[in-house]
Amino acid sequence: QLQESGPGLVKPSETLSLTCSVSGGSIRSSDFHWGWIRQPPGKGLEWMGNVYYNGNTYYNPSLKSRVTISVDTSKNQFSLKLTSVTAADTSVYFCARVKYSSYWSGYYFDSWGQGTLVTVSS
Amino acid sequence: QTVVTQEPSFSVSPGGTVTLTCGLSSGSVSTSYYPSWYQRTPGQAPRTLIYSTNVRSSGVPDRFSGSILGSKAALTITGAQADDESDYYCVLYVDIGISVFGGGTKLTVL
Repeated sequence: QLQESGPGLVKPSETLSLTCSVSGGSIRSSDFHWGWIRQPPGKGLEWMGNVYYNGNTYYNPSLKSRVTISVDTSKNQFSLKLTSVTAADTSVYFCARVKYSSYWSGYYFDSWGQGTLVTVSS
Repeated sequence: QTVVTQEPSFSVSPGGTVTLTCGLSSGSVSTSYYPSWYQRTPGQAPRTLIYSTNVRSSGVPDRFSGSILGSKAALTITGAQADDESDYYCVLYVDIGISVFGGGTKLTVL
């Protein structure tokens, strides 16, 4: 189970911060990465980035300069920070578990949070 | 930047068969891209349908199937039902740790 949490309203130019709490399993699993995906109103899904339990990250090149994804294994959580937000960052943000490891040939999102709407507005 | 292409919209009659595709702006899709498919219904979390080209996720009915057709990944729905009306997205693994969503296909069942 994954559950997103964080402010639903962020001002332009500020930093958007969300947390995903993982339950029913350990975030330390070597079988998975942990990712963030977003969907602006009326538009498609966009992969933002993934993190591994050891802190290794992969980011969407188009967002790389503004995105930081981190992991807190003691809390079984991972987090998203997006800096310098604009109205274009208004989206439903999903966290997801990514089946992807050096021990298995493949890559896909196998479990999703319900999503949380973040609106960027003054 | 890699662009993943999908048909913007498609329609199918109830009971009919439809094939949605997932391609690359440059090049062909192969199993090495580990194509996966997701159903996105408003108000719900995305649902994982297919991964690794043709493996159905747990609980997904066998009327959903995945394949490679020519130069594209494909999702085929056989015996379409009213509740299959939704948006469908593919994902391709394009580089180490990097994935890209297609633009999505809005499927209408009528």
